[in-house]
Amino acid sequence: DTAVSQTPKYLVTQMGNDKSIKCEQNLGHDTMYWYKQDSKKFLKIMFSYNNKELIINETVPNRFSPKSPDKAHLNLHINSLELGDSAVYFCASSPFLTSGGLRNEQFFGPGTRLTVL
Amino acid sequence: GENVEQHPSTLSVQEGDSAVIKCTYSDSASNYFPWYKQELGKRPQLIIDIRSNVGEKKDQRIAVTLNKTAKHFSLHITETQPEDSAVYFCAASTPRGGTSYGKLTFGQGTILTVHP
Repeated sequence: DTAVSQTPKYLVTQMGNDKSIKCEQNLGHDTMYWYKQDSKKFLKIMFSYNNKELIINETVPNRFSPKSPDKAHLNLHINSLELGDSAVYFCASSPFLTSGGLRNEQFFGPGTRLTVL
Repeated sequence: GENVEQHPSTLSVQEGDSAVIKCTYSDSASNYFPWYKQELGKRPQLIIDIRSNVGEKKDQRIAVTLNKTAKHFSLHITETQPEDSAVYFCAASTPRGGTSYGKLTFGQGTILTVHP
C-alpha cells in the first residue's frame, strides 16, 4: 500500500563499485525526482522526470544515470562510487511538474542510505 | 538560480511555547512555498504550504506567513508538543526560465527540539 517505495533501504559498498537504487510510485503521478540528503541534512535535487522525460539535471556527475522505464518508476544507477557519494537518497513524486503556484505536494520514499567504504 | 536561506539551524523550546522558523528566498519569480517536516530516520512530509498570492495560512497549531516584497516566509508553531520535535525544511518553487516547470529549492533545515 506504500505510495512511494525504494529498494534497497540500506546499501553498503566499496569505492569503485557500481550500484542501483529502484523507485516506484503507485500514486499515478506524472513527475518523479531524486534527491540527495547529506550528513548535514541538506536536501538537494538531483534529477526530475516528467512522463519518462528528463526535465531537471542539477549538474550531477555523469556517474549518476537515472532511468525511467515508465512514469511509475525512476531508477538511479551510480558508477564508480566515491566516498563523497555516501548519503541518503530520496525518491519523490508529485502530481505534475508545473508549479503555477498551485499545491504540488512531493511524496517522498523512505530513503536509501548509501555508505561507500 | 534560487537560493533559500533558513534560520535558525537549531531551535530548542519548552513544551507549550511557540516556535518560529524563518526563510528568505532570492528569486522573485518563486510562487509556491511548502514546508516539510522530517522526523528522525523518516522521510520528509508536507505539513503546510502557501501560494504567492496569499499572505497567511493557518492549519490548527501551525501557520505560515509570506511577505513577497521582502521575499521571506515563516513557519509558526503554537503550543508545541514533544512530537513536534523534528527537522523542518522550507522550500521555494521557482518556474524555470521560459517554462512553467517548478523546481523546488530547499532551505538548510531547522532542528526543532521540544522539551517536555
